[in-house]
Parts: sequence; C-alpha cells; structure tokens
Amino acid sequence: SQTIHQWPATLVQPVGSPLSLECTVEGTSNPNLYWYRQAAGRGLQLLFYSVGIGQISSEVPQNLSASRPQDRQFILSSKKLLLSDSGFYLCAWSDGSGYEQYFGPGTRLTVT
Amino acid sequence: GESVGLHLPTLSVQEGDNSIINCAYSNSASDYFIWYKQESGKGPQFIIDIRSNMDKRQGQRVTVLLNKTVKHLSLQIAATQPGDSAVYFCAENSGGSNYKLTFGKGTLLTVNP
Repeated sequence: SQTIHQWPATLVQPVGSPLSLECTVEGTSNPNLYWYRQAAGRGLQLLFYSVGIGQISSEVPQNLSASRPQDRQFILSSKKLLLSDSGFYLCAWSDGSGYEQYFGPGTRLTVT
Repeated sequence: GESVGLHLPTLSVQEGDNSIINCAYSNSASDYFIWYKQESGKGPQFIIDIRSNMDKRQGQRVTVLLNKTVKHLSLQIAATQPGDSAVYFCAENSGGSNYKLTFGKGTLLTVNP
C-alpha cells in the first residue's frame, strides 16, 4: 500500500531564517506531487505541483520554492521566511490519472 | 473566476441524526468531485468521489449527490457519530488539467452527544 510522509511535524522558525520541508511517498512510482498551504480555519491553497523529477509548476508567486530531486521526494524551501508564511503545509500525491489526491499528515509552521 | 464554495460554514447535529453538507460549484466543465474529511491537526482524508456522468454514489454511511443542473454537490452522512466531527471539504477537478483540484472553503461539522 502507498504511504506518504512529511517532516517535521511542527516547526517554529524566526523571520528571515531558511526553510526546508520534506515529503516522501512509498509504494508507488512516478506520482504527481503537490504542496498546499492551509491558513487557520481556511481552505487549501495549492502552492506547487510536479508531474515528474525536476518538473515543478508554481501556482502562487511568493518566496517559497519547490524541488523534486527524486521520483518520490518533494521538498518545499525558502531562503528567508516571512511572518505570512506561517500555516499548515500539506503534501499530497496522486497517480497518473491525477484525480484523487492523498494527503500527508502535514507540517505546522510558525514563523515568529 | 471559477470557484467551489460551500453554503454553510458550520453545521451542528445530534448524534444519530443524518447530516447533509452542501457545496456549490461554478465551473460547468468540472467532471470529477471529491469530498474530504479533515480532523483537527491532520491532513485531509478521502471520503468519497463522484464523476460527472453520475448523480449519486454511496459508500459506507455516506452518499454523495451531484446535481449538474444547478451545479450542486452534497454529502450525506447517515447516523452521524461523534467521530464524524471534522471539517469537510469538497473539491473539483475542472477537466482542463488532470493535475489540480480546486477546494472549497470547508464546513465544520460538530456532532453533539
């Protein structure tokens, strides 16, 4: 069966510090991968998606970036965090049809 | 632009009652819809999906209804239990891209014992 992991589970970082969140998927090959952000009490905002290694599409211009160095690894990064980057970050995957997405447990990021 | 929205931001029901959560969508080209359940502090969990060539689909204690005429989607939960308390999101695949889902804002369901 397929499993999706995210770490860390929680993170508190000062403004201006760098960020690296990691997501890995097990039990599937060539998945589509997604990064979402969810503000408190709000819906899901798609940040990036990837259909293959090195292929990244950005949905929202911001100081975040994503990379996919391996087939089942997706990384969300920032060089300098802003207060507005606080939120719940979710990674998701889907198979080649791209319809149903499966979410990881999320990372709670607080920028202070 | 196209969007997916919910009629009710909060819903409170008694344990054992049936719950109905509604969702309106505006993109008539949408051909696939999903309902997710998100418990506090966790990632969304897939509940049930439906394609646009169907108007009803049933799962375990849940039923999704799709009315394409009025662009309306609903999730019915039978015999609601305290464990059903969560935020429920509808999402649509707009057909133009196989890779993206558009999510609604969510409805908070609270089940009172």
